[in-house]
Amino acid sequence: QVQLVESGGGVVQPGRSLRLSCAASGFTFSSYAMHWVRQAPGRGLEWVAGISYNGRNEHYADSVKGRFTISRDSSTNTVFLHLNSLRPDDTALYYCARARGIYSFDFWGQGSLVTVSS
Amino acid sequence: DIQLTQSPSFLSASVGDRVTITCRASPGIGNDLAWYQQTPGKAPQVLIYSASNLQGGVPTRFSGSGSGTEFTLTISGLQPEDFATYYCQQLKSYPITFGGGTKVEIK
Repeated sequence: QVQLVESGGGVVQPGRSLRLSCAASGFTFSSYAMHWVRQAPGRGLEWVAGISYNGRNEHYADSVKGRFTISRDSSTNTVFLHLNSLRPDDTALYYCARARGIYSFDFWGQGSLVTVSS
Repeated sequence: DIQLTQSPSFLSASVGDRVTITCRASPGIGNDLAWYQQTPGKAPQVLIYSASNLQGGVPTRFSGSGSGTEFTLTISGLQPEDFATYYCQQLKSYPITFGGGTKVEIK
């Protein structure tokens, strides 16, 4: 069965960096685009970044452009989110999600919590 | 960027009620819209894709309609497990955007 397991979250000071990982299993990883979506405490969903099935195309929300980088490794079936220059308003639960074409995000992980605080 | 406006943001209803949630897109997005349900402490789950197609395994009391700029999610006969927050999402173009959410609570 499809599984997405995020890791790498934690408490970090403003201005520092963090790398989130999402380990995928149960499907042909190299055939699917992957995305990160975050949810600040008590707030709605915010799309953060997406990467094409072959890793050639990346897209970012304006709020993270230039600070976050999405990447993927097909040898380990893992998608990453590199978070740099973190700010307190980046505090959120970060979900990894699989895209089923342009139709939906059909599988989601359980999330990795990032807290940015001094 | 494509803006999605959901209404209402909060809804109080009883078991058995018919509930309708609206999502308005600006500019229009054809039928490139999905609906999700999120219960507390859980990841979102897709209910509807391409505006009106029911995701496999989702109960048939959920239905979606609309195209272009106005979309609706209808729950026909609200069940206790349906009390949750619902989000629309457009996948027409980047940046992908979500509506602000509709929280459905028990009256």
